[in-house]
Amino acid sequence: DTEVTQTPKHLVMGMTNKKSLKCEQHMGHRAMYWYKQKAKKPPELMFVYSYEKLSINESVPSRFSPECPNSSLLNLHLHALQPEDSALYLCASSQTAGRGLATSYEQYFGPGTRLTVT
Amino acid sequence: GIQVEQSPPDLILQEGANSTLRCNFSDSVNNLQWFHQNPWGQLINLFYIPSGTKQNGRLSATTVATERYSLLYISSSQTTDSGVYFCAAISNFGNEKLTFGTGTRLTIIP
Repeated sequence: DTEVTQTPKHLVMGMTNKKSLKCEQHMGHRAMYWYKQKAKKPPELMFVYSYEKLSINESVPSRFSPECPNSSLLNLHLHALQPEDSALYLCASSQTAGRGLATSYEQYFGPGTRLTVT
Repeated sequence: GIQVEQSPPDLILQEGANSTLRCNFSDSVNNLQWFHQNPWGQLINLFYIPSGTKQNGRLSATTVATERYSLLYISSSQTTDSGVYFCAAISNFGNEKLTFGTGTRLTIIP
């Protein structure tokens, strides 16, 4: 089963709120990812976790705080967001995260959380 | 980092037509994926194809790694094929970052 689930599907939050996005996979994958997609643009990588450790942070502002409690779960904690942070947030997973000349594995995406910051 | 370019940006076809979408990339790759994004935002995996040729029903893909391009073929288009098609790649010489092209928006008219 190649399924990544995300909750909630939709989220509206004010600039002073704190909320969390959740992602779960049960494929035994050891790499998990957060992407951000603005309207009519391609997804852009935010964070990579490999074996539950943060391996890439693409210079994301600190108001986004990722967490990987175990190999199946990935959270994104949101605090003091701006209206320009409104976007589709996609979670993905892969068998492992390749590096350099090592094999890179297929990434599977969840359905996304559509976030609106008011 | 790696650059990924897709063409054409937009394509409008009659139902039943065939189409070819192109993806050029600037570096040698160890991951090349094609996705279809449906109107609800779900990215659906079509092919994982860092090299070679694969077929899945009406869809097929070819990656010529030495010449740094990949092609996605859609035959006998159906209205459900409408949406945005993304190519994405990971460079052999970078980190684990999957870089997406800007996409091809395909519209199939009944």
